[in-house]
Amino acid sequence: QQQVKQSPQSLIVQKGGISIINCAYENTAFDYFPWYQQFPGKGPALLIAIRPDVSEKKEGRFTISFNKSAKQFSLHIMDSQPGDSATYFCAASIETSGSRLTFGEGTQLTVNP
Amino acid sequence: GAVVSQHPSWVICKSGTSVKIECRSLDFQATTMFWYRQFPKQSLMLMATSNEGSKATYEQGVEKDKFLINHASLTLSTLTVTSAHPEDSSFYICSAVLGLGTQYFGPGTRLLVL
Repeated sequence: QQQVKQSPQSLIVQKGGISIINCAYENTAFDYFPWYQQFPGKGPALLIAIRPDVSEKKEGRFTISFNKSAKQFSLHIMDSQPGDSATYFCAASIETSGSRLTFGEGTQLTVNP
Repeated sequence: GAVVSQHPSWVICKSGTSVKIECRSLDFQATTMFWYRQFPKQSLMLMATSNEGSKATYEQGVEKDKFLINHASLTLSTLTVTSAHPEDSSFYICSAVLGLGTQYFGPGTRLLVL
């Protein structure tokens, strides 16, 4: 019940295209859903996060779509750039229970020039 | 804001020695910090939760006597890998919690045990 399933495992997109990464969770107590971006040899960096009271959040080229009834959320990267090539992790937590994150398996995104 | 540092960024040590890794929240205080381990092309594996002023909580399968965690202040947590062996070679990452639940991660420490 604590798992977060992420897909696809890898994704190749052309420059200017839209990258879409999906995650699904089981635990309905989760109330915080962040996405992290990680470059090789670096720590994950918080990209964008959403709470279940909204269905969408947009920050620049990055958008989270959240479907509470389906227990799914996704990251959309518009106008994908080669510099976006990285590994993306979705995660979920219960904020009032110590902030412990449950991570998805990760998606390796490659944006071709 | 919300910067977390780790030191050292990489370390090579001989088998049997101990290695200490520091995690600092530079511009905020963190009651809670986490320690993760990451193998190549894999997700982050939570090792332990570090709370300031109290004993760390270790995940199942993580040896608390091998991975000593000390959270002595609201800005510093340390992970000591005792009697390191080659199988302990990995990428160790810490995170610090700001506010209700946002975790900010350090840049990671690459450990190689020869």
